[in-house]
Amino acid sequence: DTGVSQDPRHKITKRGQNVTFRCDPISEHNRLYWYRQTLGQGPEFLTYFQNEAQLEKSRLLSDRFSAERPKGSFSTLEIQRTEQGDSAMYLCASSPGTTSKKRNTGELFFGEGSRLTVL
Amino acid sequence: DQQVKQNSPSLSVQEGRISILNCDYTNSMFDYFLWYKKYPAEGPTFLISISSIKDKNEDGRFTVFLNKSAKHLSLHIVPSQPGDSAVYFCAARNAGNMLTFGGGTRLMVKP
Repeated sequence: DTGVSQDPRHKITKRGQNVTFRCDPISEHNRLYWYRQTLGQGPEFLTYFQNEAQLEKSRLLSDRFSAERPKGSFSTLEIQRTEQGDSAMYLCASSPGTTSKKRNTGELFFGEGSRLTVL
Repeated sequence: DQQVKQNSPSLSVQEGRISILNCDYTNSMFDYFLWYKKYPAEGPTFLISISSIKDKNEDGRFTVFLNKSAKHLSLHIVPSQPGDSAVYFCAARNAGNMLTFGGGTRLMVKP
């Protein structure tokens, strides 16, 4: 199974520490997305890459958050100086681009998420 | 500004009956609408989608209806099975291929 994989699945950290999450998308997908989900809410968009270019960032993405996709393959999401309000599930998703031969139905393929708990 | 809303946080139905999950949106520029299903500790999994130029799409037990004039869509599951118990998210796609999600509806199907 070559679905979207995320690492680590769970991270517990103390307030003020930095954390980094990694996402490996489906190999032929050139679009990669980061979402955040808190309890009782739907996923909220954070940022989006097409290949290595970061094309869109949400206002939710404060300057403590940075995302990269250096070679257009895997991506990392780093949170600096974590706060308790950062506790959430961080979801990565990928999708084929418009050059894909498959009909684009808008579907994003999600990983299982990285759960962050900030103490 | 919630562009996609699911006003029912939970729904309970009997096995074999129909489940109807509802979703409202405000942005008329959305071009695709999708339903995702989520189990605890897992990422959302795609269920079914519909283009904004259609009013119905069916896939097995799942049918999505779109009413553009009312900016409303619904997911029908017939017959409902206990394994359908999960949280269902409605999502809408904009021109940038980004999805905006509703808050989810927890479906419980009782045996």
